[in-house]
Amino acid sequence: ILNVEQSPQSLHVQEGDSTNFTCSFPSSNFYALHWYRWETAKSPEALFVMTLNGDEKKKGRISATLNTKEGYSYLYIKGSQPEDSATYLCASGGFNKFYFGSGTKLNVKP
Amino acid sequence: DTAVSQTPKYLVTQMGNDKSIKCEQNLGHDTMYWYKQDSKKFLKIMFSYNNKELIINETVPNRFSPKSPDKAHLNLHINSLELGDSAVYFCASSQDRADYGYTFGSGTRLTVV
Repeated sequence: ILNVEQSPQSLHVQEGDSTNFTCSFPSSNFYALHWYRWETAKSPEALFVMTLNGDEKKKGRISATLNTKEGYSYLYIKGSQPEDSATYLCASGGFNKFYFGSGTKLNVKP
Repeated sequence: DTAVSQTPKYLVTQMGNDKSIKCEQNLGHDTMYWYKQDSKKFLKIMFSYNNKELIINETVPNRFSPKSPDKAHLNLHINSLELGDSAVYFCASSQDRADYGYTFGSGTRLTVV
């Protein structure tokens, strides 16, 4: 079982603020890391799949970085909007077994 | 068109009953999964099937029995339901290995009373 931790647990920001949160995972035997966006009453939706140390991925105002040697990934949101309010999950693992963190719940106030 | 669909969305049942949750994916994916969201909101893997073959069984009580009649379907049957089985169960699929990311269903909220 992999111990995947996310911080903070929750975050409240104002519209227009930029923000970031962290996913920590065991660095040994790293294979891949996923980020998901999970809106209330919907299903988690894949944002990024990252495999290489130093990887940076971007989708619109959201980007992520990966450091496999020290076992962490950051998710950044630039200029947060109310529609960014969701829980952001990360998962680490390999092949068919991934372990999820408990998520960072982001609330963006207009 | 829903990519991964689960039914029912809500299920309320009494202790001791047997119930099933169905999952279907129309993505042509080879691998399907059941995840359980526990009381601390963690998503924990229960089972994985690849082309109808069980490949992961993550220490789940044998009251839980997955069945995959074909690679587009993975159903979860639960016998003798207990209060502690109350949770949200998510079906997911991936193209071959999960390294490429999961596509999740919308979840089934099971309440055992």
